Amino acid sequence: GAGVSQSPSNKVTEKGKDVELRCDPISGHTALYWYRQSLGQGLEFLIYFQGNSAPDKSGLPSDRFSAERTGGSVSTLTIQRTQQEDSAVYLCASSLFGENTEAFFGQGTRLTVV
Amino acid sequence: QKEVEQDPGPLSVPEGAIVSLNCTYSNSAFQYFMWYRQYSRKGPELLMYTYSSGNKEDGRFTAQVDKSSKYISLFIRDSQPSDSATYLCAMSAGRDYKLSFGAGTTVTVRA
Repeated sequence: GAGVSQSPSNKVTEKGKDVELRCDPISGHTALYWYRQSLGQGLEFLIYFQGNSAPDKSGLPSDRFSAERTGGSVSTLTIQRTQQEDSAVYLCASSLFGENTEAFFGQGTRLTVV
Repeated sequence: QKEVEQDPGPLSVPEGAIVSLNCTYSNSAFQYFMWYRQYSRKGPELLMYTYSSGNKEDGRFTAQVDKSSKYISLFIRDSQPSDSATYLCAMSAGRDYKLSFGAGTTVTVRA
């Protein structure tokens, strides 16, 4: 596709369940970022991938959060034992390496933990 | 104190007015400054970016950066109802670094 694709668009899960969020970056973009946007808040950085490695995972809020990227393309963000405070929109962005001024965002996954 | 501060508004202006948005920041390492527009239930889209201090103009949009004051601005001239959105400032220390975002300002342009 032409843009960053995220799935699912919406996810409702019960507290304590695990969830997986997927991001398909723009073809050829080696840099991939995950952000979280809570209601009325700005974007909170979670993790940055360069290729398959994550040189900056400083934003992951707890060890319940993990992410991986395979083949330098698709990335999965996993949240284990979800809590209500995890409810937010999870946004993925991609760019060419060294070009974060040209980062393109997906539409996000709206996660609701009930 | 947040690394990037942005007044969340909301801001309501009549069509044709100038919209003025701004952010302040505390990290003197920031060199790249961006403005994103986000429509409801959509991902942010890049409007403009500026490197270091100075002004940049693109159509109805003007971005200004004053690194000495750690203050950036976005002006929208001749505002249109289609400009109604949330505007987010973002900045980074380098072009392969994470972006740090403001909270976003919600703007409504009244027809």
